[in-house]
Amino acid sequence: EAGVAQSPRYKIIEKRQSVAFWCNPISGHATLYWYQQILGQGPKLLIQFQNNGVVDDSQLPKDRFSAERLKGVDSTLKIQPAKLEDSAVYLCASSSFWASSYNEQFFGPGTRLTVL
Amino acid sequence: RKEVEQDPGPFNVPEGATVAFNCTYSNSASQSFFWYRQDCRKEPKLLMSVYSSGNEDGRFTAQLNRASQYISLLIRDSKLSDSATYLCVVNWTGWNTNAGKSTFGDGTTLTVKP
Repeated sequence: EAGVAQSPRYKIIEKRQSVAFWCNPISGHATLYWYQQILGQGPKLLIQFQNNGVVDDSQLPKDRFSAERLKGVDSTLKIQPAKLEDSAVYLCASSSFWASSYNEQFFGPGTRLTVL
Repeated sequence: RKEVEQDPGPFNVPEGATVAFNCTYSNSASQSFFWYRQDCRKEPKLLMSVYSSGNEDGRFTAQLNRASQYISLLIRDSKLSDSATYLCVVNWTGWNTNAGKSTFGDGTTLTVKP
């Protein structure tokens, strides 16, 4: 079974530039998560989708971050414009639908973003 | 106060030692609990779920205390390969959906030395 795919793996940009990350979850997984992990901290949930609907985006900085999951499959996360404090690893995870609070989350390898 | 708090570590132990990590959570509506393992510069992976009755998987034992709102992870006979960061995860179900809402702790780093 293929795992969660993410691209790019690494990205270096200058502040005020834009960047986009892509995620393809495990086939059949209805729940998709985007996390931000700053060095030395645990993953912080940015947004959670159930199929193509948003379940939770309370911690997403909506003035600069946006995310979509068209057709309930793959997803993109965008930052525009980037700030220095956005330097982090962006992790995508997915889990199967049913009672997903009890289900394992499968993570992709992450995208390491450096903002200069 | 953070929703999920873990022992800050780092824990440096010799091979063969027993080590325990604690994690406290503040949301009493929390329903499910997990320990994830994260190797350096890798993604988190599920180590084990934590059940109310406690559960064991080989050298690893997880306990849940709902009254005191904490979970623990015990590692016996530590191996060099156990060196990693251990993340505590607490989930609760939203009001109108079965989708779980997850909160991760900041992790506890374990280094097992020869």
